[in-house]
Order: sequence, then C-alpha cells, then structure tokens
Amino acid sequence: DGGITQSPKYLFRKEGQNVTLSCEQNLNHDAMYWYRQDPGQGLRLIYYSQIVNDFQKGDIAEGYSVSREKKESFPLTVTSAQKNPTAFYLCASSMMTAGDTEAFFGQGTRLTVV
Amino acid sequence: ELKVEQNPLFLSMQEGKNYTIYCNYSTTSDRLYWYRQDPGKSLESLFVLLSNGAVKQEGRLMASLDTKARLSTLHITAAVHDLSATYFCAVDRAGNQFYFGTGTSLTVIP
Repeated sequence: DGGITQSPKYLFRKEGQNVTLSCEQNLNHDAMYWYRQDPGQGLRLIYYSQIVNDFQKGDIAEGYSVSREKKESFPLTVTSAQKNPTAFYLCASSMMTAGDTEAFFGQGTRLTVV
Repeated sequence: ELKVEQNPLFLSMQEGKNYTIYCNYSTTSDRLYWYRQDPGKSLESLFVLLSNGAVKQEGRLMASLDTKARLSTLHITAAVHDLSATYFCAVDRAGNQFYFGTGTSLTVIP
C-alpha cells in the first residue's frame, strides 16, 4: 500500500541530545514537509523540500535540520539548540502538478524531553 | 505573512443540529483544503477545493470556497457523535507551502 511512514511513533530525548525522526513515502511525491503541533494548537511548518537535494526553511526552522538525499526520504533532526522540542511532529508529502497538490500525512511522532 | 484563521475555535453542538465552521485567509490562493484530526492521531484529508465557487459534499459535511472573499466554509448537517474531532483548513501558497488554520475542535453531544 502507498503511504507515508513515520518512525518512531514515540521518542524520548534527553537534554542536550540530538534525535532524528524518520519519514519515508512511496507515493512518488515530489514535495515533502515537516510540521510541528503543540497541544491544542494548529500545525506550524518547520522545513519543506520540493526536490531532491534542496529544502527550504519554514516558519520555525531554528533548532532543526533536514536532508533530502532521496526522493522517498526526508528525515528531521531535532538538535540540542531546540529549547522546547516536546511536541507532535507530522511529516507530509504532495505532488507538485497543477491541481493535484493535496498533502498526505504520516501518523506522527510524539517527542518528549526527559 | 500568510494568516489562516478559523472560527469558532471550539464548538459544542447537539446531535441533529446544523452548524458552519469558517476559514478566512489573508492572501490570494485558489486552493484550499479541509482536514480532520482525531485526538492523538494524524490528519485525514476531507476536501480539496481548487477554484472559486467550488463546492464539495461528503456525507454530512459540505465545503465551499469563495476566493474573492478569501473565505471557505465547512457546513455540518444533522451532526452525529462520530463527527467529533478537530477540523483544520489549509491554504496552499505558491510553491506548495501549506499553511494551516488554528483548528476548530468540534464536540457533538448526544
């Protein structure tokens, strides 16, 4: 089945530690996105990528890094510079063709700082 | 800066009643999306509205788009408990950046 797979589902991070969240899609989508969701709030864009080896900062990129070495994969690293990383992280992907740009979401990773 | 605003933020309604959720956005866009999120879950796509005047219906939900007014509505007809969830609208800015509203948390009371 085609879809977007995020792993792990739950992740615990110690203070000062970097962690990487995985996002893989087999939908052959060009664009991929990372969003952060805090409790009771909407989604905020962290990074997005429209093509392999290229990505752009979203509204809250500080403390995060990404790579796009393969079309299928868009991992997000939460660095120690991110002072408040506890949140629900959602990865999404979409086509880039006109009229077919609906974003599909993975199941999310819940990150908690311990 | 692109802003997407939804109202109400919280909605409690009785089963069988009708109600409308509003989504206003601050910049020109011809594409608008509605998503549903259940507690602790991911987002599920409900509607894709691609042009001015677009109207789509699925079951008890109907979405419409007025690009001139920069307004989309999600109308709920004869609500049932299964519709309880948080509903988000999203606007697609040039370059395939999706910007989401704050969400409307809907609770349908028996």
